[in-house]
Order: sequence, then C-alpha cells, then structure tokens
Amino acid sequence: GQSLEQPSEVTAVEGAIVQINCTYQTSGFYGLSWYQQHDGGAPTFLSYNGLDGLEETGRFSSFLSRSDSYGYLLLQELQMKDSASYFCAARSPDSNYQLIWGAGTKLIIKP
Amino acid sequence: NAGVTQTPKFQVLKTGQSMTLQCAQDMNHNSMYWYRQDPGMGLRLIYYSASEGTTDKGEVPNGYNVSRLNKREFSLRLESAAPSQTSVYFCASKTSLQRDTGELFFGEGSRLTVL
Repeated sequence: GQSLEQPSEVTAVEGAIVQINCTYQTSGFYGLSWYQQHDGGAPTFLSYNGLDGLEETGRFSSFLSRSDSYGYLLLQELQMKDSASYFCAARSPDSNYQLIWGAGTKLIIKP
Repeated sequence: NAGVTQTPKFQVLKTGQSMTLQCAQDMNHNSMYWYRQDPGMGLRLIYYSASEGTTDKGEVPNGYNVSRLNKREFSLRLESAAPSQTSVYFCASKTSLQRDTGELFFGEGSRLTVL
C-alpha cells in the first residue's frame, strides 16, 4: 500500500534548528508537499519538492531524495509561533487529485 | 480575497439528524475536496470533485454525500448523523495548472459534534 511515516512529536529549543523527517512507501511518486497546522487552525501549504534536492523558503527548507524514499522539513531560527503540527503529503499514484497524508508531527518549542 | 469559506463553523447534532456543510471558493479553482480530521490524526479524504460536474469517493465516503453545485461551491451532506462522525471537517480547493505542486487551500474548518 501507500503510506507516509513521520515522527509523532519533536521537541526543540527556541532559536535552534529542527528537522522533521518523512519516509514514504508508494508504488509511484510525484513529489512531496509540506503543510503546517496550528492548534484549532487549518492546514497551510509550506513547500513542495518535485525533484531531488533542497527547496528554500525563508527560515524553512524542504529536501527530497527519491532514491531513498525520504524527505525532510528543516526549520531554522525557531520561534515560538512555529509550534504546530507539520504534515507531509504525496500525490496518490491512483489519482491525480488525491493526496496521501502522513499522520503529522507535533513540534513543541521550549524557550 | 476570502479564499475558501465554510459554514457553519460549529454544529452540534443528535444521532440521526441530517445537515449540510457548505463550502465556497473564490479562486476559480477546478478541484474541490472534503476532508475530516479526528483529534491527533492526519487528514482523511471523504469526497472530491476534480471539476465541475464530477464527484468521486475518497478514503472514507460512507455516511456522506456531496454536491458540486457549480464551480465555486461544493457541499457535504450527512443524511443520518452518527457519533463516529464527530470530527473537524475541512473543505479545500486546488488549481489544475499543469505544474501541480499539490498546493491545497483550506477553509477554516467546521467542528461537528454528534451526540
């Protein structure tokens, strides 16, 4: 089957750097997306990797290695407002319109 | 721009009651989706509409129906609510441009409790 695995929780200190990993098992692969969701809020799109390598958007970067079936989201200069859940998602090989979602990683930031 | 608008934001139902969640987007997107999210869980797709006039089942369609009323609006109906349908429901939309980054735009969510 198709699945994306993420750690359930990660803890880091304000000002530090944290990496959230996502490993996937799908019969086909069309790129990896990352979303952020604050408690009580809606998911918001952060980044997309269609090809291997690093994509940078401000303090956030995302990396993909298709040969290793692995990606990660890197958050630098952590701020308290980065406390949220982070989800990786990949397009389903069965449909152009469906995404397969990871269960999410809760990021806890300590002062 | 309003983006994706869902109503109602909160609803309490009794078992067996019916209701419709409304969703509208003003971004001229072709594809629209309904997800549910249970506490501490990821998103599960209920139904989606790839384009106006089409709807398809997702992972968890049982107990739900949808209507793609026009390009802007996509509604979700619970015909006979059950406690297992207590959840947060998110509507989302996506463009269908050739370069698909998978970017979904979400509404604020509708928090439904079934007693």
